[in-house]
Amino acid sequence: DTGVSQDPRHKITKRGQNVTFRCDPISEHNRLYWYRQTLGQGPEFLTYFQNEAQLEKSRLLSDRFSAERPKGSFSTLEIQRTEQGDSAMYLCASSLGTGAQHFGDGTRLSIL
Amino acid sequence: QKEVEQNSGPLSVPEGAIASLNCTYSDRGSQSFFWYRQYSGKSPELIMSIYSNGDKEDGRFTAQLNKASQYVSLLIRDSQPSDSATYLCAVKGDYKLSFGAGTTVTVRA
Repeated sequence: DTGVSQDPRHKITKRGQNVTFRCDPISEHNRLYWYRQTLGQGPEFLTYFQNEAQLEKSRLLSDRFSAERPKGSFSTLEIQRTEQGDSAMYLCASSLGTGAQHFGDGTRLSIL
Repeated sequence: QKEVEQNSGPLSVPEGAIASLNCTYSDRGSQSFFWYRQYSGKSPELIMSIYSNGDKEDGRFTAQLNKASQYVSLLIRDSQPSDSATYLCAVKGDYKLSFGAGTTVTVRA
């Protein structure tokens, strides 16, 4: 049973650069979620997909953030013109319908 | 008021003791409740889910839910050093999870 896979595990970039993260959910899971976690806090919801449709976006997701799930399988999260405040762990989770959400190992983003 | 609040840590318990973690939530319509364990630098790992009032036991873990009081708890019996981690309470609405800030537990050998 393959879990949720995220790539890369770590990303270091300069302020102002664009970054893209990838998430591969558990194969039979139709829902995919993105969360962001900063030090000492619990994860915060960013957006979610049911199959290929993006059904909800948090107010945390500014215009610099975009997420896609083109074929209802893997998803990408892109951050344009990165800022210091974007430094965080970006977590992807998946679920089968309304079932429990299982998280990947996350991508840790550091902005220099 | 935060949506999900957990008792402030850190919580230090001796090996073999019971660790008790508490969580309250504000959305009375919430139906699903979860406890995740997160080791330092790692992602959250689901350890318990509970959907109805009462107790649910799984090995050394017991989750308790009281919807009238909007309260969820987690008991860890016979605590082991490997239980040292941050425990996150999560409450699910229609789709998203709302998390507390977590309680860090340290089990002393």
